[in-house]
Amino acid sequence: LAKTTQPISMDSYEGQEVNITCSHNNIATNDYITWYQQFPSQGPRFIIQGYKTKVTNEVASLFIPADRKSSTLSLPRVSLSDTAVYYCLVGSYGNNRLAFGKGNQVVVIP
Amino acid sequence: KAGVTQTPRYLIKTRGQQVTLSCSPISGHRSVSWYQQTPGQGLQFLFEYFSETQRNKGNFPGRFSGRQFSNSRSEMNVSTLELGDSALYLCASSQGTSNEQFFGPGTRLTVL
Repeated sequence: LAKTTQPISMDSYEGQEVNITCSHNNIATNDYITWYQQFPSQGPRFIIQGYKTKVTNEVASLFIPADRKSSTLSLPRVSLSDTAVYYCLVGSYGNNRLAFGKGNQVVVIP
Repeated sequence: KAGVTQTPRYLIKTRGQQVTLSCSPISGHRSVSWYQQTPGQGLQFLFEYFSETQRNKGNFPGRFSGRQFSNSRSEMNVSTLELGDSALYLCASSQGTSNEQFFGPGTRLTVL
């Protein structure tokens, strides 16, 4: 299972765009990059998944450079309710053995 | 569609006892995975069941076991409980063909 490295925590002001980075130097050819969000005392929630270049959905964008050794989750105009732990995971498509790592605690400040 | 449900939500046991946790996946989902979350170790994968068969297994001792029924509902059992088993146990379901898993609210187990 490819390992991921994320900053432990970061703060951001309400209304700003937040970019959360993740390193996955040993990503395999058939690995996808997936991001989850977790609020306290709740299960993680799927945000977005991608393989290369850029993926966008209604809540976030995922940027993946050509070498795929890193990725950036972008949250536009964050609100206080976006305060959560964000996990970056890599794994082959359909592999449900998710390795979550420590995640990145994002705190949105008023 | 109803989400993933887990019962019970909270549980208090004493060392040496055993416990069974239940998970009902989203209708139509055939894969059920279990995770343990603790402040020190974070979220750790326990095992995954797909169509009543264990498909993946994490690095947990044999005291942790599970099963899946024909309706995809799953149970997880922990025998001879230890203090270190106190954790939030999360169940996740998926169709089994993507990396998008849907998590339940978890069962908070406290071992005294």
